[in-house]
Amino acid sequence: AQTVTQSQPEMSVQEAETVTLSCTYDTSESDYYLFWYKQPPSRQMILVIRQEAYKQQNATENRFSVNFQKAAKSFSLKISDSQLGDAAMYFCAYRSASGATNKLIFGTGTLLAVQP
Amino acid sequence: NAGVMQNPRHLVRRRGQEARLRCSPMKGHSHVYWYRQLPEEGLKFMVYLQKENIIDESGMPKERFSAEFPKEGPSILRIQQVVRGDSAAYFCASNDIGVSSYNEQFFGPGTRLTVL
Repeated sequence: AQTVTQSQPEMSVQEAETVTLSCTYDTSESDYYLFWYKQPPSRQMILVIRQEAYKQQNATENRFSVNFQKAAKSFSLKISDSQLGDAAMYFCAYRSASGATNKLIFGTGTLLAVQP
Repeated sequence: NAGVMQNPRHLVRRRGQEARLRCSPMKGHSHVYWYRQLPEEGLKFMVYLQKENIIDESGMPKERFSAEFPKEGPSILRIQQVVRGDSAAYFCASNDIGVSSYNEQFFGPGTRLTVL
């Protein structure tokens, strides 16, 4: 069974600085998708960025980018020029590309605080 | 285009009562997923439904929990004889398979269930 691990329960960053959130996963599959979701205090789940396992190029969305290391099964999220609105819980998630189910497997989350 | 709708947003039940949580997927989406988020934890997959069919219920507790997604109307997650351990946030997500390879799931705002 696949698992997702986020080893940093909490992180803090100064406004305008850069922070990296860690995520590792375990799978025997070769094709899959990885996601980072943001959950602000409103609890709404917001997709931040996504990556297909067969793509070697790291995904980028404005200030958000990932460092995808397939061999190491690592998928970290880098937030550049941090803003106060980035403060939230961040969840890493895995989805298999095969099989009948499309379920997402989530990590336990990292709570990011942004200091003014 | 309205997003995923869930109601009620907050639900309070006494032990032994029934809880019914509703989810209306995004327009055009025929696939619905339910996830549960216990306090201080990540989201855990419960069940995946397509119209009138349960595709994957591997995360659903064997007793007291059931889900349906009828041909007409919202998807319903039903919890019978609730216990305090059922207190959690329940999220619904929807998508339409095949639109993109990511099969991105769009989340609703969640229903927070409190069992007294």
